[in-house]
Amino acid sequence: AQTVTQSQPEMSVQEAETVTLSCTYDTSENNYYLFWYKQPPSRQMILVIRQEAYKQQNATENRFSVNFQKAAKSFSLKISDSQLGDTAMYFCAFMLRYQGGSEKLVFGKGMKLTVNP
Amino acid sequence: GAGVSQSPRYKVTKRGQDVALRCDPISGHVSLYWYRQALGQGPEFLTYFNYEAQQDKSGLPNDRFSAERPEGSISTLTIQRTEQRDSAMYRCASSLAGGVEQYFGPGTRLTVT
Repeated sequence: AQTVTQSQPEMSVQEAETVTLSCTYDTSENNYYLFWYKQPPSRQMILVIRQEAYKQQNATENRFSVNFQKAAKSFSLKISDSQLGDTAMYFCAFMLRYQGGSEKLVFGKGMKLTVNP
Repeated sequence: GAGVSQSPRYKVTKRGQDVALRCDPISGHVSLYWYRQALGQGPEFLTYFNYEAQQDKSGLPNDRFSAERPEGSISTLTIQRTEQRDSAMYRCASSLAGGVEQYFGPGTRLTVT
């Protein structure tokens, strides 16, 4: 079974600073995806960024980037130039990839990020 | 539709009652997932459909929980004889055939009193 661990329950950062959220996972499989989802106070689930395990290059989406260390099974999210709107719960998620379709997401417990003005 | 929709958005029910939660996926999305999210936790997988076929129901906690998607579009998650421990946010997500990204609905917040 796959597991996802987010060991930091809560963090705070000043606006415009950079913050890194950590995530580790456990799997014996080789073909999978990793995701970071954001859940603002509205409680929507918003996809922030995804990483394919077979790609060595780290994914980047504007101010969001990841540090994917496959051997260490680590997948951290870096938020640059933090904005007040980044205040949210952040969930790391894992998905096995089988040919032909999507599979279930396995989520971590989440981490509450607060961006202070 | 523009996104995944779920109804009702809020449901308060008394212990022992049955509830039915509805999910309407994005048009053209063949895969549909149900998750449950307790307060302060990440979502947990319940069940998954490809078209009308229930491919995986390993996450359903017990036989009081069931789901269907008879025409491969709208899905209903039914909880029979509700208990207080069933109180949670129930989320639905959908994806394209072969798609990696799952798009989540706003959720139904269920409170069992």
